[in-house]
Amino acid sequence: EDQVTQSPEALRLQEGESSSLNCSYTVSGLRGLFWYRQDPGKGPEFLFTLYSAGEEKEKERLKATLTKKESFLHITAPKPEDSATYLCVVQAGGGSEKLVFGKGTKLTVNP
Amino acid sequence: ETGVTQSPTHLIKTRGQQVTLRCSSQSGHNTVSWYQQALGQGPQFIFQYYREEENGRGNFPPRFSGLQFPNYSSELNVNALELDDSALYLCASSLDPGGGYTFGSGTRLTVV
Repeated sequence: EDQVTQSPEALRLQEGESSSLNCSYTVSGLRGLFWYRQDPGKGPEFLFTLYSAGEEKEKERLKATLTKKESFLHITAPKPEDSATYLCVVQAGGGSEKLVFGKGTKLTVNP
Repeated sequence: ETGVTQSPTHLIKTRGQQVTLRCSSQSGHNTVSWYQQALGQGPQFIFQYYREEENGRGNFPPRFSGLQFPNYSSELNVNALELDDSALYLCASSLDPGGGYTFGSGTRLTVV
């Protein structure tokens, strides 16, 4: 069964304190791994797509990396506006094309 | 480019009733998928449509059904509503089934 596990469930950081979020996955035929940011009561906002092991993507203070079993979202010198829930999503291949979501990591950045 | 829009934003229904939620895909996107997100949980895949045909379904009962129209807008219908159906329902569209998805802001359904 396709599965995505994110850790930690919640993370509190001080402004400027860098850290990483983990996403481990098992999926039959990975088509892509996505990171989304979700604010309370809103739909997920797309951040990155990763397709193959070794790939990295960067956007402002965020950097996503991918291995064969895991992905990391590195947050460098976070600001309070980075506070949100970060969702890791994998897309299975083999004809199903469905997206499988992790439960998310709730990040709080204190000023 | 208008993004993905969902309607209504909030809805309250009584147990046993039926509900229809609507989604307007981002311009040019021919793939749409629906998700149910319970409070504090990640979204759960309901089903996906590609060019008006269902091409994937999650573990939801048949009372969850959908449609995709020629203009690629979409509906999610839920019959015989149960209290546990209370959730945020998200619609997402993509240029193709393998691409990145753009999400709408969701419809918050409350069943009482």
